[in-house]
Amino acid sequence: QQQVKQSPQSLIVQKGGISIINCAYENTAFDYFPWYQQFPGKGPALLIAIRPDVSEKKEGRFTISFNKSAKQFSLHIMDSQPGDSATYFCAASNPHDYKLSFGAGTTVTVRA
Amino acid sequence: GAGVSQTPSNKVTEKGKYVELRCDPISGHTALYWYRQSLGQGPEFLIYFQGTGAADDSGLPNDRFFAVRPEGSVSTLKIQRTERGDSAVYLCASSFAPGARETQYFGPGTRLLVL
Repeated sequence: QQQVKQSPQSLIVQKGGISIINCAYENTAFDYFPWYQQFPGKGPALLIAIRPDVSEKKEGRFTISFNKSAKQFSLHIMDSQPGDSATYFCAASNPHDYKLSFGAGTTVTVRA
Repeated sequence: GAGVSQTPSNKVTEKGKYVELRCDPISGHTALYWYRQSLGQGPEFLIYFQGTGAADDSGLPNDRFFAVRPEGSVSTLKIQRTERGDSAVYLCASSFAPGARETQYFGPGTRLLVL
């Protein structure tokens, strides 16, 4: 069973717009939440990650918002560019584990 | 520097055959992971190595799947009696140290198609 639920499955945004991807989890032991970006034919690459002691983390145009009480976190891509067109995966892990539990992915298409 | 490499990039086999998938981690990385990614899904954990030993093989779906890392570097994922349901992209990742909080660097994957 999928421990991290991700939505939407896909989204289309105009260049310069904001892309928002949401994830939810049930396992309260999760304490590390990375986002990975995957281009066709490539492996996933770490984009940005957050721990639950902060509610927001920003790196350039990418921001993670985290809501511990709701057990939800989201990725915002500001000023979306055609080069951001990719599949994005949220993931989670707990401190006693080595593996990442991934969401099903969101395919983002940025139209020029 | 060189990233994680995987060979072959594509593998087509017939149902019932045996296949081996190879992973070369980043030099110096002690932790190695195998994941499986089915079409339209996120990667699913298969097995984790710390050094030469399999520290966690809880994700292997059944005993047809086996992986080794004899010298603590290169790893081979072995699938016996392949089934059509084994068709997926098999991803290898490595990290400098163990732990999910350590950045896992993924290879491009091996696309396995079982006919």
